[in-house]
Amino acid sequence: KQEVTQIPAALSVPEGENLVLNCSFTDSAIYNLQWFRQDPGKGLTSLLLIQSSQREQTSGRLNASLDKSSGRSTLYIAASQPGDSATYLCAVLASGSRLTFGEGTQLTVNP
Amino acid sequence: NAGVTQTPKFQVLKTGQSMTLQCAQDMNHEYMSWYRQDPGMGLRLIHYSVGAGITDQGEVPNGYNVSRSTTEDFPLRLLSAAPSQTSVYFCASVPGGAEGEQFFGPGTRLTVL
Repeated sequence: KQEVTQIPAALSVPEGENLVLNCSFTDSAIYNLQWFRQDPGKGLTSLLLIQSSQREQTSGRLNASLDKSSGRSTLYIAASQPGDSATYLCAVLASGSRLTFGEGTQLTVNP
Repeated sequence: NAGVTQTPKFQVLKTGQSMTLQCAQDMNHEYMSWYRQDPGMGLRLIHYSVGAGITDQGEVPNGYNVSRSTTEDFPLRLLSAAPSQTSVYFCASVPGGAEGEQFFGPGTRLTVL
């Protein structure tokens, strides 16, 4: 059974800092990995999707990497801003069309 | 496009009552799914559908039914609500198969007394 773990569970940083969120998964036979953002009381917004054949994806200040062999992904946020405060979730798609989520990292960026 | 819409936003039920959570998308996506989100447990897949007329069970299907008569709609039915079904429910859709980018609805917060 696929298990997804995100570390740390919570993170508080000052504005402007570069930061890394971690995601690990137990079964490396995945189709893709996706990073989401969730604001309080809201749905999930897709940030980056990395296919299993890719090593990284970039969007603006966000960069996500994928190392299938070690079962790890990182989300790098450059020059963090208070508006980046949210919960960040990673999810992996494996066989059977099933997406497995981690519990998320709650990020607070302080002005 | 309205994207993925869910109704209602909030609902309170008594134990044993039944209800249907509605989910609709106007993007002509084939793949749709339902998740529940609970503190300390993350999002868990309830049921999914790869196209009209085709549904399958996810990780936590017990107590829930689904059907997919059209591409646009994917309702989730609670047959006899239980307090353990108190949760936030999210519907999602994906263009093509499950391998694409997931688009989520705003969620339905359900409380079962």
